[in-house]
This record gives sequence, structure tokens and C-alpha cells, in this order.
Amino acid sequence: AQKITQTQPGMFVQEKEAVTLDCTYDTSDQSYGLFWYKQPSSGEMIFLIYQGSYDEQNATEGRYSLNFQKARKSANLVISASQLGDSAMYFCAMRRTSGSRLTFGEGTQLTVNP
Amino acid sequence: DADVTQTPRNRITKTGKRIMLECSQTKGHDRMYWYRQDPGLGLRLIYYSFDVKDINKGEISDGYSVSRQAQAKFSLSLESAIPNQTALYFCATSDPKGFQETQYFGPGTRLLVL
Repeated sequence: AQKITQTQPGMFVQEKEAVTLDCTYDTSDQSYGLFWYKQPSSGEMIFLIYQGSYDEQNATEGRYSLNFQKARKSANLVISASQLGDSAMYFCAMRRTSGSRLTFGEGTQLTVNP
Repeated sequence: DADVTQTPRNRITKTGKRIMLECSQTKGHDRMYWYRQDPGLGLRLIYYSFDVKDINKGEISDGYSVSRQAQAKFSLSLESAIPNQTALYFCATSDPKGFQETQYFGPGTRLLVL
């Protein structure tokens, strides 16, 4: 069975600094996809970034980047130049095979301090 | 207008009542999903549908049923609501794209069962 682990229930960062949110996963598959979602206090789930297991480069989307270390089975989200609006819950998720369901981690609550 | 809408956004009901949560999408996606989120936990899949004639159980389908009325509409029913079904419910949609298939979420429905 696959499992996603987010070991940081809560993280704090100063505005304009970078922060890394950890995600490790457990799978025996060679091909899979990794996703990060943001959930602000309003509740909606917002897709941030995707990383494929065979992608040679780390994914980037604006201020978001993914530090993907396949051998360590980790897919950490890096947010650069944090903004107050980045305060939210962040979820890491994985898909094993095409069309299969997403498995979510328990989330990390990020607070950006002014 | 939002691509994925859910109605109602908030609902309070009593134990034993039947309720329906509705989801509509304008993204033109074939695949639709229902998740629930409990405090401190990630999302768990209840049911999913890959097209109008395809309905599949997720990891926590007991006590729930679904109906895919059209490509754009996917409803979740609680036949006899119980307090431990109090949660935040999300509908999501996706378009087949291999591993990079991304799920897009509605705003969520907060359900309280008394």
C-alpha cells in the first residue's frame, strides 16, 4: 500500500523568507506522480505543482518548487519569498498509476509571520 | 464563475436524515470524485466516476451512495446521516492525462450531523 507522510504538523516562517515543507512517500512502483495542494482557511483545495517520477528536473511553478529526491522517496515543497497569503494548510499527494486515486498526506499548517 | 461548484456550501442535519450534496462542473472533464476531510487528516476518497456509466467505490464508501446524472453532475447521498459523517466534503474533477492528470477541487461542503 502506498503512504504519504508529512512530518511537520505546523511550520512558521517570516515574510519574504523561504520555507521547505517535507513530504516522504512509500511505494514500490517505478512510475507515479506527486502533487502539492494548498488549502487556505476558506477551505478550498488549490493545485500548486506536479512532479512525475521520471521527470529529470525538479518542477517549478512561480515561487513554488519541488525538491524531488527519488532515491530518498521525498518530494519537498519549497516556497520562496513567503507572503502573508501563503498561510494555509499544505497537502502532499501521490498517484500510483494513471487513473488511480490520489493518496493524501495529513498536511502541514504553514503560518507566515509579518 | 467557478469551474467546479458544490451545493450546499454548508448544511446542518439531524441523525437519520437523508441528504444530498451536489457537484457541477464546467471544465468538460469526464472524471469526477467525492472526498471527505476530517480535522487533522488528509482527504479520503468516497466514490469516483470515470464517465456517466462508470461508478467506483473509494476507500470509505460505506454509508454513502452516488449518482452521475450527466457528465457535468455528480451527486453524493447520505442515506441515513450519522454524527461521524460530520466533515468537509469535496468534489473534484480531472481529465485523463497519464500521471500528470490533475484533480481540480470544488469549494467544499461543510456538513454537520447532529
